[in-house]
Amino acid sequence: AQSVAQPEDQVNVAEGNPLTVKCTYSVSGNPYLFWYVQYPNRGLQFLLKYITGDNLVKGSYGFEAEFNKSQTSFHLKKPSALVSDSALYFCAVRELWNTDKLIFGTGTRLQVFP
Amino acid sequence: EAQVTQNPRYLITVTGKKLTVTCSQNMNHEYMSWYRQDPGLGLRQIYYSMNVEVTDKGDVPEGYKVSRKEKRNFPLILESPSPNQTSLYFCASSPAGSSYEQYFGPGTRLTVT
Repeated sequence: AQSVAQPEDQVNVAEGNPLTVKCTYSVSGNPYLFWYVQYPNRGLQFLLKYITGDNLVKGSYGFEAEFNKSQTSFHLKKPSALVSDSALYFCAVRELWNTDKLIFGTGTRLQVFP
Repeated sequence: EAQVTQNPRYLITVTGKKLTVTCSQNMNHEYMSWYRQDPGLGLRQIYYSMNVEVTDKGDVPEGYKVSRKEKRNFPLILESPSPNQTSLYFCASSPAGSSYEQYFGPGTRLTVT
């Protein structure tokens, strides 16, 4: 069965420092991977996705993610964190057959301190 | 504006009182889905629909019903709500195909007492 793991419940980083939010996956075949962000009292917003091609994917708000097949990881990164980046981040993998279901990780809360 | 809307946004109800949470999308998407979000568990799929009149169970379907009579609407029905259905619910839609991202509604926070 496909699954996604986010090993950190919370990540703390100072404003201006680089940030990384970790995600590892377990799938059979090639994965379709996604990152979403949830701000307080809001729905999930799509950040970026990896389908195929370049392992470094660029997305919204200056975020990027690196797909690493050998380590089965898809870590979310940003070179310089902003206080406004503080939110809940979800990694997800989409099933490639009949259900098209998104399988989510448990989420990582990012706290950026001024 | 392309969007997924849900109503109501907040709902407090009592055990056993039937309720419906509506979901509508204006993007002509084939695929629609309902998720519930619980602390420490992430989002789990309740039901999904690949197109009109085509629905199927997700990972946690017990206690829920859905229908897809029109392409834009995908209501979630709780026939007899129980306290363990207290949760944050999200509707999502996308074009058919796994490479597409899903668009999420703003969420419905349901409390069952």
